[in-house]
Amino acid sequence: DTAVSQTPKYLVTQMGNDKSIKCEQNLGHDTMYWYKQDSKKFLKIMFSYNNKELIINETVPNRFSPKSPDKAHLNLHINSLELGDSAVYFCASSLELARSYNEQFFGPGTRLTVL
Amino acid sequence: AQSVTQLGSHVSVSEGALVLLRCNYSSSVPPYLFWYVQYPNQGLQLLLKYTSAATLVKGINGFEAEFKKSETSFHLTKPSAHMSDAAEYFCAVSDRGSQGNLIFGKGTKLSVKP
Repeated sequence: DTAVSQTPKYLVTQMGNDKSIKCEQNLGHDTMYWYKQDSKKFLKIMFSYNNKELIINETVPNRFSPKSPDKAHLNLHINSLELGDSAVYFCASSLELARSYNEQFFGPGTRLTVL
Repeated sequence: AQSVTQLGSHVSVSEGALVLLRCNYSSSVPPYLFWYVQYPNQGLQLLLKYTSAATLVKGINGFEAEFKKSETSFHLTKPSAHMSDAAEYFCAVSDRGSQGNLIFGKGTKLSVKP
């Protein structure tokens, strides 16, 4: 069983389109995250959700919106895609957000290419 | 603000040689520290973490790291490199009050020569 899964693995789309990336975890974790990894492999937190409540929202354009239908899912919606959105997006999950020493478990990533 | 610096974006060693990947952090209080590994086209996997217990932390695949407060360092080592260790390695820091916010270094790519 895959602990943290993401779909799709690859996403190629045109500028201006709207797309979604789905994430599911079967670990029973309380908190889920979205990270962006750029072409230089630099990882940066975008969002985290704890019990369906947005906890962290870094300086991310409002074209990006996380949506969590339940504790096991955190989807990422992106409107009006731009060339600069091309990156690998990782979903992650962990126990108890307040315990910041908890390991985060990462999904396999979604490579988004905007043409 | 928390920050992590990984010295050397690319490290190359021979199979069987010592692996040393450097990580320095900036924090006003001792943070929680992590090393993650990313194999090609995969997500990140935790190697080990420091949470203020023992300063020498042992992880998976024979890796270990030592927390040195005086040097604000958390370098990753492995006595003998295997070909399978070739990957990207990330050091990360989590501020105790940051509610899980991980700040990653820029990563070090480890190559292992036969």
